[in-house]
Amino acid sequence: ETGVTQTPRHLVMGMTNKKSLKCEQHLGHNAMYWYKQSAKKPLELMFVYSLEERVENNSVPSRFSPECPNSSHLFLHLHTLQPEDSALYLCASSQVGATTSTDTQYFGPGTRLTVL
Amino acid sequence: KQEVTQIPAALSVPEGENLVLNCSFTDSAIYNLQWFRQDPGKGLTSLLLIQSSQREQTSGRLNASLDKSSGRSTLYIAASQPGDSATYLCAVVGPGYSTLTFGKGTMLLVSP
Repeated sequence: ETGVTQTPRHLVMGMTNKKSLKCEQHLGHNAMYWYKQSAKKPLELMFVYSLEERVENNSVPSRFSPECPNSSHLFLHLHTLQPEDSALYLCASSQVGATTSTDTQYFGPGTRLTVL
Repeated sequence: KQEVTQIPAALSVPEGENLVLNCSFTDSAIYNLQWFRQDPGKGLTSLLLIQSSQREQTSGRLNASLDKSSGRSTLYIAASQPGDSATYLCAVVGPGYSTLTFGKGTMLLVSP
């Protein structure tokens, strides 16, 4: 595997289910991100992890719970979601260095989530 | 709060045309600006990155410019091809740990 991978690619869940999204990066990066992409809205940053510590949380509801056990893996645990949470969830990674002017993020293919 | 706007929202052109996609941002305190491409059902692919001190970047048929003081960037695509059909996203990196603020994108369709 190369780059950033995400599983599953598609997920349908009921409002009372508990599920997890997985992201893995094979690029040796030190930062990972979760984004939400809803129809007709810009990509929204949800969480940022650097060196396995959460450094940013953009006021995301507690029904979304991230976990970063090591620098290569990132999870998003989902429970009691709402239909409006249906979206494409994208994971990204980057190498954050001394200067941010050249940092770029590498994205996975996303998980298409549908909440019934 | 940084806001990024992309115009037009959608664009349809015949193959071979040169075209320009526009991006504007409200806060000029950025580290860099990036253009991404997103194909249906896939993630984002970085096309060009312009550092805040630069005015433009080129890659093949793509040229991106940055006017930081006016909060504007353009992506120029020369001699468009059907394979260029995708959604093009503009994003800026500002203070806050390399976080990207995205526009809604321009959906481009190049017909043969």
